Amino acid sequence: ELKVEQNPLFLSMQEGKNYTIYCNYSTTSDRLYWYRQDPGKSLESLFVLLSNGAVKQEGRLMASLDTKARLSTLHITAAVHDLSATYFCAVDEWSNYQLIWGAGTKLIIKP
Amino acid sequence: EAGVAQSPRYKIIEKRQSVAFWCNPISGHATLYWYQQILGQGPKLLIQFQNNGVVDDSQLPKDRFSAERLKGVDSTLKIQPAKLEDSAVYLCASSTQGFGFTEAFFGQGTRLTVV
Repeated sequence: ELKVEQNPLFLSMQEGKNYTIYCNYSTTSDRLYWYRQDPGKSLESLFVLLSNGAVKQEGRLMASLDTKARLSTLHITAAVHDLSATYFCAVDEWSNYQLIWGAGTKLIIKP
Repeated sequence: EAGVAQSPRYKIIEKRQSVAFWCNPISGHATLYWYQQILGQGPKLLIQFQNNGVVDDSQLPKDRFSAERLKGVDSTLKIQPAKLEDSAVYLCASSTQGFGFTEAFFGQGTRLTVV
């Protein structure tokens, strides 16, 4: 059974700081997705990572995938308050187009 | 391109009543998902359709929940009778079939409160 673990589950940080959210998964997959969810809102797709070594960047967010380590990271550079949200990673199960979700990381960035 | 449409946005019902949610996926998306998201948790897959066939409904409480996707497009999710623990946001998502990956696009969700 494919399991996805995120850590930390909660992160409070100051503006201007850097931090990394980790997403570990238990079985072979080379397709991983990062989503953002604002309070009371739906999920918004941030990054699609489709191969070992894939790196995607958007603004202050950068995501990477290491399929050998079964690890993806979401790095936040010089955080700003607008990045406060819950971030989910999800891993693709090969056979049935199903996504297995992490529990989410609630990120609070204080001005 | 229009996104995934869901209705209603909010619903408050008493326990033991019934409720139905509607979803219209992105045009051309063969795969449709219904998720339940309880406050503070990640999405939990309830049912996944591929066109109008069910791919996975292993976590759907079939004694009270039902879903259908007629003609492989719109879908409805019904709860009958509702319990207090069904209070959650119900999210519909869709994705394309093929292309080797499964980026899902989500609707705004229906927030259900059972009192």
